Amino acid sequence: DAGVTQSPTHLIKTRGQQVTLRCSPKSGHDTVSWYQQALGQGPQFIFQYYEEEERQRGNFPDRFSGHQFPNYSSELNVNALLLGDSALYLCASSTPRQEFYGYTFGSGTRLTVV
Amino acid sequence: AQRVTQPEKLLSVFKGAPVELKCNYSYSGSPELFWYVQYSRQRLQLLLRHISRESIKGFTADLNKGETSFHLKKPFAQEEDSAMYYCALMYTDSNYQLIWGAGTKLIIKP
Repeated sequence: DAGVTQSPTHLIKTRGQQVTLRCSPKSGHDTVSWYQQALGQGPQFIFQYYEEEERQRGNFPDRFSGHQFPNYSSELNVNALLLGDSALYLCASSTPRQEFYGYTFGSGTRLTVV
Repeated sequence: AQRVTQPEKLLSVFKGAPVELKCNYSYSGSPELFWYVQYSRQRLQLLLRHISRESIKGFTADLNKGETSFHLKKPFAQEEDSAMYYCALMYTDSNYQLIWGAGTKLIIKP
């Protein structure tokens, strides 16, 4: 089991551009959460997807959007990139009723906006 | 607002010494708390969870509701414990969103 897989590993974008990050959850998991981790900080919750719907959203602007596919994989899209969007983006998967037992994290995508 | 505070950014102890990583939270309800660890060049992984009341790699953590704390402890530190440690709070009225502390970097000196 490959666990949670994220792609790409690293990405450099120019301010104002758009970016799409991808996540495949751990086998058997159907819930995907996205987090942003700035340097020296803990992760910040962006949103969570379950049954192809956004179930919960953190305090992030509408420039951040997502999608979940029928195979439970997910995308995170960020429009109109700002320098402050530079961060490590983490994907975490789980199953309903298993959240209390912890999430499984991917290695993350390091986004640099120049 | 719900918050998790890890007051120490860096903690350095000698091998064999006791370790305590502090975590305080603010939450009016009944929290579920976790410790996650990130070893060098590895992904975040769950270390232990309050709900299970377990001991992993010699680490334990006790929830103290009076002091709103969930400190991580180990009686005898080992060099392989050097890592970044994050305390996280989950509350059910947010569909299981995790609120994270800023993390503590633990360095075990030989």
